[in-house]
Amino acid sequence: KNEVEQSPQNLTAQEGEFITINCSYSVGISALHWLQQHPGGGIVSLFMLSSGKKKHGRLIATINIQEKHSSLHITASHPRDSAVYICAVREKDSNYQLIWGAGTKLIIKP
Amino acid sequence: KAGVTQTPRYLIKTRGQQVTLSCSPISGHRSVSWYQQTPGQGLQFLFEYFSETQRNKGNFPGRFSGRQFSNSRSEMNVSTLELGDSALYLCASSRGSYTEAFFGQGTRLTVV
Repeated sequence: KNEVEQSPQNLTAQEGEFITINCSYSVGISALHWLQQHPGGGIVSLFMLSSGKKKHGRLIATINIQEKHSSLHITASHPRDSAVYICAVREKDSNYQLIWGAGTKLIIKP
Repeated sequence: KAGVTQTPRYLIKTRGQQVTLSCSPISGHRSVSWYQQTPGQGLQFLFEYFSETQRNKGNFPGRFSGRQFSNSRSEMNVSTLELGDSALYLCASSRGSYTEAFFGQGTRLTVV
């Protein structure tokens, strides 16, 4: 079993829809990251969370430490949001490396 | 503020050759991590450097090595290239281990 599981693996939606991507993890963590990777490879850090909720524009990230679960929400989705969204956790008291989810490929159709 | 810069962006090498990739972190960032991304394996951690010291290494053979200079720039070297080394190599910089990481655009290495 992977230590970081994301769902769904693939998601296709229409422009304007509310999007939710989930991340569950099985280890104790000091932080959780949500990242976005566009075709071509570049990765952009969206959020780093250790508790609660963060919002940036149309993106919202939440984390429930007790349930070991985080969600990334996109409101009023747009075709330019099409990308792979990756959840990564930094295990508590670990050797500093990030443990990565497999990613969720999101396609937003106009 | 300049982001993380990786050079070169694209590289084609022949089996058996060696390659050196470069990563210039954001100014003030002392931690640089390297990752390999392949379609089948996803993102795999290679190593992390902090203030010129390798703090951790992933599960890769000794052909993969790296170093960090006093200006925090980092290089990654792969010797005796194999076809399976074809991948996108990403580097990330951060102020420290528990702070937000910023990624470069990556170097796409193709081994033929």
